[in-house]
Amino acid sequence: KNEVEQSPQNLTAQEGEFITINCSYSVGISALHWLQQHPGGGIVSLFMLSSGKKKHGRLIATINIQEKHSSLHITASHPRDSAVYICAPHTDKLIFGTGTRLQVFP
Amino acid sequence: EAGVVQSPRYKIIEKKQPVAFWCNPISGHNTLYWYRQNLGQGPELLIRYENEEAVDDSQLPKDRFSAERLKGVDSTLKIQPAELGDSAVYLCASSLDGLAVASSYNEQFFGPGTRLTVL
Repeated sequence: KNEVEQSPQNLTAQEGEFITINCSYSVGISALHWLQQHPGGGIVSLFMLSSGKKKHGRLIATINIQEKHSSLHITASHPRDSAVYICAPHTDKLIFGTGTRLQVFP
Repeated sequence: EAGVVQSPRYKIIEKKQPVAFWCNPISGHNTLYWYRQNLGQGPELLIRYENEEAVDDSQLPKDRFSAERLKGVDSTLKIQPAELGDSAVYLCASSLDGLAVASSYNEQFFGPGTRLTVL
């Protein structure tokens, strides 16, 4: 069993829809990253959180340490949000999920 | 403030040739990471430096891969000789760690990556 499971693996949406990406992990962690990767390879850190909820613009990340689960939400999705979103829990190093490929159509 | 800089962005070589990648971390960041990302997968850690010391190189294929971080700033990752299976994106990241132990956590900032194609 993988240490990090993301769902869904692929997601398509119409512009304006509310998006949720889920991440479950099996290891004890000190924090969790949500990362965004656009075609071409560059990775951008969206959030680093260890409890509760964080919000930045249209992005919201939540984490439940007891349930070992985190979610990334995108409100009012836009085509420029199209990317791969990666969940990466941190133990003594980052453990990367395989990512969720999001495509938002106009 | 400049982010993590990597060069080249793209490299195409024939198998058995050597190749080198360069990374300049964010100024002041003491920890530097090299990752390899195969198509459709998440990044895998190859090596982690704290200043000039390699503190985790357990996943680095030492028969053909080498890395150095002279003076604890820039780093190079080398493959010699390259094999077809080395085709991947090589990502560099850096962070500012408050403690020189693996259990501390600080946010990593990633470079744009070098996409290597071995023919």
